[in-house]
Amino acid sequence: KNQVEQSPQSLIILEGKNCTLQCNYTVSPFSNLRWYKQDTGRGPVSLTIMTFSENTKSNGRYTATLDADTKQSSLHITASQLSDSASYICVVSGENTDKLIFGTGTRLQVFP
Amino acid sequence: DGGITQSPKYLFRKEGQNVTLSCEQNLNHDAMYWYRQDPGQGLRLIYYSQIVNDFQKGDIAEGYSVSREKKESFPLTVTSAQKNPTAFYLCASNPLTPGIRNTIYFGEGSWLTVV
Repeated sequence: KNQVEQSPQSLIILEGKNCTLQCNYTVSPFSNLRWYKQDTGRGPVSLTIMTFSENTKSNGRYTATLDADTKQSSLHITASQLSDSASYICVVSGENTDKLIFGTGTRLQVFP
Repeated sequence: DGGITQSPKYLFRKEGQNVTLSCEQNLNHDAMYWYRQDPGQGLRLIYYSQIVNDFQKGDIAEGYSVSREKKESFPLTVTSAQKNPTAFYLCASNPLTPGIRNTIYFGEGSWLTVV
């Protein structure tokens, strides 16, 4: 069964600190993996999209990594800001399909 | 501004009533989707459409209906047959251009509460 699992479920950090969120998937054959940021009560906004041939992709203070062999991805947030408080969702799609498999998200809270 | 507009943002419905959520996009995207989001769960696909006048059921289509009479519009009707309709509903669109880097754009969501 195609699944996407994220950890931790929730995370609290202090402003200015770094953190790493994890995503493991079993989707096969794999096409691409996306990270989205979702503020409470808002729609998700795309952060990165990676294919199987890409190991790292950055978007400002957000850096995503992908290991297609172990089917793992991580999202690293550098020098966190209060505005980073949100849910971060990992989304995977398989080959020859536009169906997306969503993880349940990691809820990040950044405190001053 | 280009984007996806969902309305209303908040909606209350009495049991037994049908309600329609609006989704409009001016991005000229071919595909449109409706997802349902519940606390502690990933987004689940209700219906999707890749072309006007055609749509397919997603994973949880029971109790819902859609139409795609225009490319820019994909309204979702939550019928009285939906057993547990209280949720956050998200509309999305996808340009479906060749390649695998298509970004899925989401609307701001609609909160539906059954009272």
